[in-house]
Amino acid sequence: DGGITQSPKYLFRKEGQNVTLSCEQNLNHDAMYWYRQDPGQGLRLIYYSQIVNDFQKGDIAEGYSVSREKKESFPLTVTSAQKNPTAFYLCASSLQGDYEQYFGPGTRLTVT
Amino acid sequence: SQQGEEDPQALSIQEGENATMNCSYKTSINNLQWYRQNSGRGLVHLILIRSNEREKHSGRLRVTLDTSKKSSSLLITASRAADTASYFCAHRLMDSSYKLIFGSGTRLLVRP
Repeated sequence: DGGITQSPKYLFRKEGQNVTLSCEQNLNHDAMYWYRQDPGQGLRLIYYSQIVNDFQKGDIAEGYSVSREKKESFPLTVTSAQKNPTAFYLCASSLQGDYEQYFGPGTRLTVT
Repeated sequence: SQQGEEDPQALSIQEGENATMNCSYKTSINNLQWYRQNSGRGLVHLILIRSNEREKHSGRLRVTLDTSKKSSSLLITASRAADTASYFCAHRLMDSSYKLIFGSGTRLLVRP
């Protein structure tokens, strides 16, 4: 059963703590992406990776970090430097950049 | 800003009616994609239309692309209550990056 999974669905953290969001895909896709969505808004790109061991900053990378050590996995760390981390985080993958993206179910992060 | 715009922001129609959503963008594109998002969920890809295409169909969905006007439209015919969702357009620029630029979305409510 192919797909893209994110865990956990809901995550609560105290201000000042780093937190890592998981994203795994078994679609054999080369490219993976992290987006942030705020209420009533579209998606904004945080980071993307075109291939293993390589990734590029998106439009709002400050306060976030990623790694791409395996093709299937693209974890996102929300650091304490992110000023407003409470949001809905979506991970996606695509065969290559020119193709449609497949999205995970999202992780809703609340930082208090 | 490269961000696209969608119009209208919200649309309420009766079941059986057609729904039309519009999207505009600012620069030359490689392709344009439409996605659907149910509340609190991940996005689902609907249609990808390339810059050299003018129209595409998928079931009850029809997408048009006018590159001279830098605009696209999504038509849902014979709408159903289950079509209630937010619809986003996203365009990929003509550069070598894998970035998709998302619009802010149209919230569609189909009344039974």
